[in-house]
Amino acid sequence: GAVVSQHPSRVICKSGTSVKIECRSLDFQATTMFWYRQFPKQSLMLMATSNEGSKATYEQGVEKDKFLINHASLTLSTLTVTSAHPEDSSFYICSVVRGLVTDTQYFGPGTRLTVL
Amino acid sequence: RKEVEQDPGPFNVPEGATVAFNCTYSNSASQSFFWYRQDCRKEPKLLMSVYSSGNEDGRFTAQLNRASQYISLLIRDSKLSDSATYLCVVRKISGYNKLIFGAGTRLAVHP
Repeated sequence: GAVVSQHPSRVICKSGTSVKIECRSLDFQATTMFWYRQFPKQSLMLMATSNEGSKATYEQGVEKDKFLINHASLTLSTLTVTSAHPEDSSFYICSVVRGLVTDTQYFGPGTRLTVL
Repeated sequence: RKEVEQDPGPFNVPEGATVAFNCTYSNSASQSFFWYRQDCRKEPKLLMSVYSSGNEDGRFTAQLNRASQYISLLIRDSKLSDSATYLCVVRKISGYNKLIFGAGTRLAVHP
């Protein structure tokens, strides 16, 4: 069965609105969750690393005030795209690891965001 | 220069063909190496890890050459179900568990 779930799977919104994406670890408590973004025909790019109970670590070039991450529990992390614009349209994927830094990353099914 | 580079393809091959994908990485301190498979509009799924000694999993063989910073994936006896994008992925030593993805090589297997 699925190890990671994401909700919603697809969202279409108007420019200027905020969108929240949930990532849930179903099988285990995940100390670390990762958020990726993938534009068409491009590679997955890590946006941020989310640790339960602490602030997320953002990759260079990713605006932390635009992409708000809340890792509220060991099984839930949320990504909020604030004031979304068409250029934010992308495939957003989360992944979780059980604990150790070299653990396998389990990927969620992704959320396809389209901003009109 | 991208950290992980792959030929984007597409590779169009008939069923039963053998196909090879190549990948190069720029960071010599990279620690671990993987091949992932990604179907259209889906999440990536781990196909296999890549070890220096080379490793095989059924019809799939992966090779790593650390001196040349080169990784390969060989698929024998291609099936229609092998059609997907194959992602070369590298884990960096620093920045714990950070995976660097290549843009992928698309494979289309036809009857």
